[in-house]
Amino acid sequence: ETGVTQTPRHLVMGMTNKKSLKCEQHLGHNAMYWYKQSAKKPLELMFVYNFKEQTENNSVPSRFSPECPNSSHLFLHLHTLQPEDSALYLCASSPQTELAGAVGEQYFGPGTRLTVT
Amino acid sequence: AQSVTQPDIHITVSEGASLELRCNYSYGATPYLFWYVQSPGQGLQLLLKYFSGDTLVQGIKGFEAEFKRSQSSFNLRKPSVHWSDAAEYFCAVRFSSGSARQLTFGSGTQLTVLP
Repeated sequence: ETGVTQTPRHLVMGMTNKKSLKCEQHLGHNAMYWYKQSAKKPLELMFVYNFKEQTENNSVPSRFSPECPNSSHLFLHLHTLQPEDSALYLCASSPQTELAGAVGEQYFGPGTRLTVT
Repeated sequence: AQSVTQPDIHITVSEGASLELRCNYSYGATPYLFWYVQSPGQGLQLLLKYFSGDTLVQGIKGFEAEFKRSQSSFNLRKPSVHWSDAAEYFCAVRFSSGSARQLTFGSGTQLTVLP
């Protein structure tokens, strides 16, 4: 596979469930991101990882727990979510070093459509 | 404060017509600039980017964008729109200060293409 993949593509969960979203990038990048995209709202950056280390947490509630075991994989563990957490969750990756032509552009996966009931 | 603005929430054009989507940013220096496109239910796809050099950049799918420093703008254009171009378009900016890898996204412009 190439690019950035995300599984599952769709997820329906109750407020008491625990589930995980998975992201994998096949681009050799060292930075990975989680975004939340809700209807009628701008894209919200949630977490940033560089070389497996979390470098950004934009005041995300603790019911969202990221994990980055290596530079190619990123998880988002979900527990006791609220209905307002229903959204499209996007994963992205980018090159870490500014090589010629690599200026921080991010490559996105197709997203996981999450519905919390 | 650093910000990105896409003034048009929704634009409708006829197939074959020209297109221009606006993007303005607020920043004291020249940032890195990007345009992304998102089809329904999909992630964002990079159309083009600008970081230095020629202010007119070419991207995929026949799109181009022009950086105008004096206007702090990076408008996206296409001479002849196809029905498959219907999607949401996001301008994104990477400012040189702050977190090195973060992009700031505009709120998006939804493009409808009429037959």
